[in-house]
Amino acid sequence: GQQVMQIPQYQHVQEGEDFTTYCNSSTTLSNIQWYKQRPGGHPVFLIQLVKSGEVKKQKRLTFQFGEAKKNSSLHITATQTTDVGTYFCAGGGRDDKIIFGKGTRLHILP
Amino acid sequence: NAGVMQNPRHLVRRRGQEARLRCSPMKGHSHVYWYRQLPEEGLKFMVYLQKENIIDESGMPKERFSAEFPKEGPSILRIQQVVRGDSAAYFCASSLGTGMNQPQHFGDGTRLSIL
Repeated sequence: GQQVMQIPQYQHVQEGEDFTTYCNSSTTLSNIQWYKQRPGGHPVFLIQLVKSGEVKKQKRLTFQFGEAKKNSSLHITATQTTDVGTYFCAGGGRDDKIIFGKGTRLHILP
Repeated sequence: NAGVMQNPRHLVRRRGQEARLRCSPMKGHSHVYWYRQLPEEGLKFMVYLQKENIIDESGMPKERFSAEFPKEGPSILRIQQVVRGDSAAYFCASSLGTGMNQPQHFGDGTRLSIL
């Protein structure tokens, strides 16, 4: 069946360093969504990408959707302690289903 | 503008009891999703409902688990005869519009603990 894989599973970065998480699908996606979950909190919708090759920015966050619509990335520039949390991608595929990746847990070292 | 409301926030049950988790979607949203999350793990899809209809329950165990979204009132996730393995955080999300590709807005979750 359709799968959405996210790497890495964990990432420790020094505050101020950059961070990237990658999302790969076994099938072509209709869209990709990104969510952030703070420790002890609930997932919060960040953004949705729909077009092939689309790039969107939110302050220090840059989201990309691959040309083949099978992969995506989230890049954070100059991480801050407020960036701590788990970042999930969710791929929209056939049957209108959204499949969540297992997430990348970001830890910031002061 | 109230978001997705889930209650209770924490629920403790003994093995064999029933657990009822409630979810009121955002105003204007008629699509509700339930997810289960174990500590340090991802979100596992359980069920997708619209008003009075179950659209997709492929992620929900066939036994002991049921969900409903009545015409009036919140969506209910019901777990009968709970076992230790049911301990988890259960998140509800709602969306506007058709299909599951709409952005989902999550509630704070219900943390279920089985003694």
